[in-house]
Amino acid sequence: EADIYQTPRYLVIGTGKKITLECSQTMGHDKMYWYQQDPGMELHLIHYSYGVNSTEKGDLSSESTVSRIRTEHFPLTLESARPSHTSQYLCASSESSLAFFGQGTRLTVV
Amino acid sequence: AQSVTQLGSHVSVSEGALVLLRCNYSSSVPPYLFWYVQYPNQGLQLLLKYTSAATLVKGINGFEAEFKKSETSFHLTKPSAHMSDAAEYFCAVSVGSSYKLIFGSGTRLLVRP
Repeated sequence: EADIYQTPRYLVIGTGKKITLECSQTMGHDKMYWYQQDPGMELHLIHYSYGVNSTEKGDLSSESTVSRIRTEHFPLTLESARPSHTSQYLCASSESSLAFFGQGTRLTVV
Repeated sequence: AQSVTQLGSHVSVSEGALVLLRCNYSSSVPPYLFWYVQYPNQGLQLLLKYTSAATLVKGINGFEAEFKKSETSFHLTKPSAHMSDAAEYFCAVSVGSSYKLIFGSGTRLLVRP
């Protein structure tokens, strides 16, 4: 059973607001990832981390930022939300080649 | 560079019929390959993975996939579809030591009664 949690599950927020999507895992994995999934479309990597204080941009450009101060925690922040940020955001962690995913956060910016 | 192509954005089968979801990959190095399933408003659940051991990989819920290097394919099959199999299925390839996943565009499986 994977122990990776995302909060909130659903978020509707107004344009210009700052938001933070939370992701936590209790498996002690060094590698963590954020993927963005638009409705009916494939997932694209937007951020990843090899470990504490290590973060890199993914293949899909994103205005969001991430931090990795603790192994178990990998939050994603949008300083000023826009309707174009409306999407599903999935967090994952892995130890070797096997990745475990959270339930996702569905973000709607109005 | 690695990439994944899933043929057919929608596949519809009758309950009890064979399920075949197609995936072709491109990789310059021996790949790690995965199939994930996503139910509505849920995250991704691993069905099975290929990591250079046996070419026929058995997964959960009766699914299996065969790695065919000559065809660069990793098609997902299940002998008999069940209504509960209706979901979105993603094929993915893992990239290097970072284990970043590159996903296909997904195939929505519809199961008719």
